[in-house]
Amino acid sequence: AQRVTQPEKLLSVFKGAPVELKCNYSYSGSPELFWYVQYSRQRLQLLLRHISRESIKGFTADLNKGETSFHLKKPFAQEEDSAMYYCALGRGSTLGRLYFGRGTQLTVWP
Amino acid sequence: DAGVIQSPRHEVTEMGQEVTLRCKPISGHDYLFWYRQTMMRGLELLIYFNNNVPIDDSGMPEDRFSAKMPNASFSTLKIQPSEPRDSAVYFCASLGTGGSYEQYFGPGTRLTVT
Repeated sequence: AQRVTQPEKLLSVFKGAPVELKCNYSYSGSPELFWYVQYSRQRLQLLLRHISRESIKGFTADLNKGETSFHLKKPFAQEEDSAMYYCALGRGSTLGRLYFGRGTQLTVWP
Repeated sequence: DAGVIQSPRHEVTEMGQEVTLRCKPISGHDYLFWYRQTMMRGLELLIYFNNNVPIDDSGMPEDRFSAKMPNASFSTLKIQPSEPRDSAVYFCASLGTGGSYEQYFGPGTRLTVT
């Protein structure tokens, strides 16, 4: 069965410090991995997806199939990065359905 | 397009009352998802539809919860009778096919059951 694990429920860093939000998954097939972000009192929105290999708002995430991880990283955190971050997995046999982790609340202190 | 629309945005009700949450997906999207978000359990998928047909309702907590999608532009999530433990934010999301998994979320309905 597929599963997405975000081991940290809460993560705090100071402005300008590097930040890494961890995401591990279990799935025997070829997954599609995503990061969604929810700013305070706003709707969830897609931040980035692994197939795009893009950097959004300074964030990057690399799919590591050997370690079954998709950690989200940013070299210099900003206060406006404070939000809830969800890692999600999609699989080909259930097109459209995403399996979400429990989320990590990131707080960036000034 | 205004995006996914949900109503009401806030609902406060007493235990035992019926609650109906509404969702209008993005026009042309053929998948619709209902999620529940709590501090304890994070984001949980309750049910999802494809072309108005329920595909997976295994996340629906119990018989008190029901969801319908009578047409491509409208869905409801009903809780009857409501209980305090149902207090949460309920999100609706829609998705268009075409090889993308990007779900578009509504603003959510914050439900408080007293």
